[in-house]
Amino acid sequence: DAKTTQPPSMDCAEGRAANLPCNHSTISGNEYVYWYRQIHSQGPQYIIHGLKNNETNEMASLIITEDRKSSTLILPHATLRDTAVYYCIVFNTDKLIFGTGTRLQVFP
Amino acid sequence: GAVVSQHPSRVICKSGTSVKIECRSLDFQATTMFWYRQFPKQSLMLMATSNEGSKATYEQGVEKDKFLINHASLTLSTLTVTSAHPEDSSFYICSASSSGGVETQYFGPGTRLLVL
Repeated sequence: DAKTTQPPSMDCAEGRAANLPCNHSTISGNEYVYWYRQIHSQGPQYIIHGLKNNETNEMASLIITEDRKSSTLILPHATLRDTAVYYCIVFNTDKLIFGTGTRLQVFP
Repeated sequence: GAVVSQHPSRVICKSGTSVKIECRSLDFQATTMFWYRQFPKQSLMLMATSNEGSKATYEQGVEKDKFLINHASLTLSTLTVTSAHPEDSSFYICSASSSGGVETQYFGPGTRLLVL
């Protein structure tokens, strides 16, 4: 499976945009990039996914580089409730393999 | 998004007993369900994949005779931890997908198991 690399932790001020990077340099052409987040002691929550084009939904935006070797999840106006571990996953074989993720701390 | 429930949300049991955890997709039919385990301060580890009406596929290192998985219907999968021991104490999470391909998986809220 393609692996992803994420910074272990990030801080963000409430109301600011949170930009979470992810490297997936070995991604292949038919593999999607998925983002999930896990708030403490809860099951993961789906955020967004994409293949080549940038994507936006009510939760976030996903920017994928042209070579698809990296992507950035953008939370446009972070709130305290966005504090969670964010997982970037390359999906290829019908199963999600979670890495260590980025622990995002949103502070007042 | 779709809703997946788990029952119970937490369970405490004595060493040597068996514990059954249920995972239900409430508003869609799940052809595939997944079971994960998460130890404190660690990431989720996939244990097994189950497809309705067929045997589960276990990840390397997961004992199929210890972690029995049944996916008898399109809305229900169960994980039974047999002869539980303290080292089985963990957070067990299921997810469900309406197809086995590139499809969003929806996760349950998790079940916290404590084996005394």
